[in-house]
Amino acid sequence: GQQLNQSPQSMFIQEGEDVSMNCTSSSIFNTWLWYKQDPGEGPVLLIALYKAGELTSNGRLTAQFGITRKDSFLNISASIPSDVGIYFCFGAGNMLTFGGGTRLMVKP
Amino acid sequence: KAGVTQTPRYLIKTRGQQVTLSCSPISGHRSVSWYQQTPGQGLQFLFEYFSETQRNKGNFPGRFSGRQFSNSRSEMNVSTLELGDSALYLCASSLAGPEAGTQYFGPGTRLTVL
Repeated sequence: GQQLNQSPQSMFIQEGEDVSMNCTSSSIFNTWLWYKQDPGEGPVLLIALYKAGELTSNGRLTAQFGITRKDSFLNISASIPSDVGIYFCFGAGNMLTFGGGTRLMVKP
Repeated sequence: KAGVTQTPRYLIKTRGQQVTLSCSPISGHRSVSWYQQTPGQGLQFLFEYFSETQRNKGNFPGRFSGRQFSNSRSEMNVSTLELGDSALYLCASSLAGPEAGTQYFGPGTRLTVL
């Protein structure tokens, strides 16, 4: 299936670190959404972006809609243990597509 | 406000059988979308229904079908099940559709095909 290119695929975090992830595509999107999924549950919406260049924050989370409309990034500042999980980007335009996910894990 | 509910939560079927999954959206939401989630392919869009009409369709074979009722509840049917259909099936509801704004996901139905 067609997916957005989401990176990194996985990363280890230490409490207090900042985290960055992004999604890129060759296609243009009108809406970018960022979700977090915990085990055994459906994805939960974190941030919604509707305009190219838009920068939106939700607590420690910040996301931007790329100016070319082909990419988006999500930053998490001062990570805490409950940030662990899988993060997905979702692009909506001519097609509706999820990124492959970024799995955040805690450094041992 | 109650969230999106999906039934059943778990299902085991054998190859060749057919299955029907149900999704009840958040009250007032007219759009219901269905997604398949597998470890190998990730989250993939199946189709979206709005006011009882299929509005968008992903790249899945015709064995996957759905419908929406007048109360916005939706069902998804998979006929002639294959081993590769084993997945978590998620539905999401929204006011106007996933491309227009936010959508809220249910907990999913985990289908295992033996």
